[in-house]
Parts: sequence; C-alpha cells; structure tokens
Amino acid sequence: GAVVSQHPSRVICKSGTSVKIECRSLDFQATTMFWYRQFPKQSLMLMATSNEGSKATYEQGVEKDKFLINHASLTLSTLTVTSAHPEDSSFYICSARASGRTGELFFGEGSRLTVL
Amino acid sequence: EDQVTQSPEALRLQEGESSSLNCSYTVSGLRGLFWYRQDPGKGPEFLFTLYSAGEEKEKERLKATLTKKESFLHITAPKPEDSATYLCAVQPTGGATNKLIFGTGTLLAVQP
Repeated sequence: GAVVSQHPSRVICKSGTSVKIECRSLDFQATTMFWYRQFPKQSLMLMATSNEGSKATYEQGVEKDKFLINHASLTLSTLTVTSAHPEDSSFYICSARASGRTGELFFGEGSRLTVL
Repeated sequence: EDQVTQSPEALRLQEGESSSLNCSYTVSGLRGLFWYRQDPGKGPEFLFTLYSAGEEKEKERLKATLTKKESFLHITAPKPEDSATYLCAVQPTGGATNKLIFGTGTLLAVQP
C-alpha cells in the first residue's frame, strides 16, 4: 500500500515555542492531505484539510493562526504548532489520498507532541 | 448529525476465540465505510473499504460486512498479533471529499 511518512515521531518543546511536523507521501502524489489530532482513548478529530497550492480548510473550532498548514508540493504538507502550550500536547496524525484514487486514505505514523 | 459508535470499547479474547466488533453509524448519505487497525503510538493502518449494504471483504482472519446501519468486523481464530485498536470511520456524502468521521475504536486484546 501507499506510504505516508511523518517526522518527527516524538517532540518535546518548551511552552511558547513553535514546532513543525512534516508529512510526506513517499510513493505517490497527494493533492490533498489531512491533519488529525488524537487524544488518549478518543477518536481521531479532523483539524484541517490541506490542498496543494492553496490555503488549508480548517474545521470548526481549530485556530488557523495557531496551527499553520502549508502544502507546498504534491508530496509534502507541514503542520506548525505556533506558540505551543501544554494543552497542545497530543498525537498529531496526517493522512493522504493518492491522486486519482477514491476512498482509501493512508496515514502517517503520527507525531507525539509534548509541551512542557 | 453524522455519528459513528463502536462497541464494545474493549474486548479480551483467548487465542482462537472468534468474535465480532460492531460499528453503528448515522449519516445522511454514505460514501464509504472504512476499517483501520491502530497499534499503540502509531498511525492507523488501512484494512477495508465498504461502499454498499451487503458488501463483504476479507483479509486473512478478518472479514468486514456492511448493512445500512452498521458494519461488523469479524475476527476468526484470532492470534495475539491481532491485538490492537480497531477503528471504524465513515465518509459521508455531501461533505468535503475524503473527510472521515471516526469512532472511538475497540481495543482488542488476544491472550495466548
């Protein structure tokens, strides 16, 4: 199946700093990528939809100035958590759909963010 | 409101003891229903997509079925390596392409 890579897998930062998480589709082009957030024992919650070459679409309640998304190429989307606070600590997962394929979304390995 | 409910929350089986996981959904229209497996600290791994009632798909010890209101993930003669959280997600019609709504998952533990 298609491979989606996320980096870093774990990051610990101080409160007030910014953290960038990368999501790459390794063997296919992804016009659309999705960013999810998952709290322990809870569902994956969609944060935003990232479209190559255009602005991301954010879900209701997600601060676009807090969670900056850039989808600069067909294989890379980045999520930057700006001025991180302890409540931003979570598991962030990206997913991507191969161009021309319907339905299947492939997920990255996830990034565990801990804000001290 | 579109909603996905999975049951049970947790399930403990003995190796070889077959069982089923349930995913009930409420959507105005269903574009697709997805099953994923998630290991601790990892992203979800795609298992199946089902599109219409009556459809069934199989992969090794897993079989997914779909009705108009729910989906079942049947696990036949499970092994310890099948232990994971199994997530169900629906893709409603009328929304953004590929927007998925996830259930909270069933944590499966298979004991040797």
